[in-house]
Amino acid sequence: EPEVTQTPSHQVTQMGQEVILRCVPISNHLYFYWYRQILGQKVEFLVSFYNNEISEKSEIFDDQFSVERPDGSNFTLKIRSTKLEDSAMYFCASTLRLVTNEKLFFGSGTQLSVL
Amino acid sequence: DAKTTQPTSMDCAEGRAANLPCNHSTISGNEYVYWYRQIHSQGPQYIIHGLKNNETNEMASLIITEDRKSSTLILPHATLRDTAVYYCIVLTGTASKLTFGTGTRLQVTL
Repeated sequence: EPEVTQTPSHQVTQMGQEVILRCVPISNHLYFYWYRQILGQKVEFLVSFYNNEISEKSEIFDDQFSVERPDGSNFTLKIRSTKLEDSAMYFCASTLRLVTNEKLFFGSGTQLSVL
Repeated sequence: DAKTTQPTSMDCAEGRAANLPCNHSTISGNEYVYWYRQIHSQGPQYIIHGLKNNETNEMASLIITEDRKSSTLILPHATLRDTAVYYCIVLTGTASKLTFGTGTRLQVTL
């Protein structure tokens, strides 16, 4: 079965540094997402992206966050100036269409640790 | 999207059927019931979804009550690899995002 791949699997950074988390969605998918999960907490929606623009974002997704699809295959999440509370597992997901019978495919995540 | 209620945790013996309940009493007519699971520290994985009728696929069966206010996910022969947190999510067919609750932590034991 096709997979969503995320790199790196682990990222350690200093507070205030910029990080870019990378994702390669399934090749023919059109809708892309970022979710995050702080240790011991729920999986939380961050942002959805379609047709090269953000279609929806949560309150978590403030000005420190941005997303980009720089080419035909990658989908990135940038955090401009990381904070301690950004430490979490970040999941990328994709789907082909927003209709019934479509399921979200999630990557295995990037564990971000901000020191 | 309708709110769901699931037990916090359940145990199941390996080889037995695991029946995971979900209450969604405020579900509306155009909302589907989806099930995902999350094996420790991995990304959520789609299992099954349905609207009114019972559904079955290679992973599980989904039984939805006639009034649609509750459903049960059935793993017919649970294995140790089915140990995970199972999420019941209710949303419209064209919803752009999933809202995860706390789910049910299923522990499959020998």
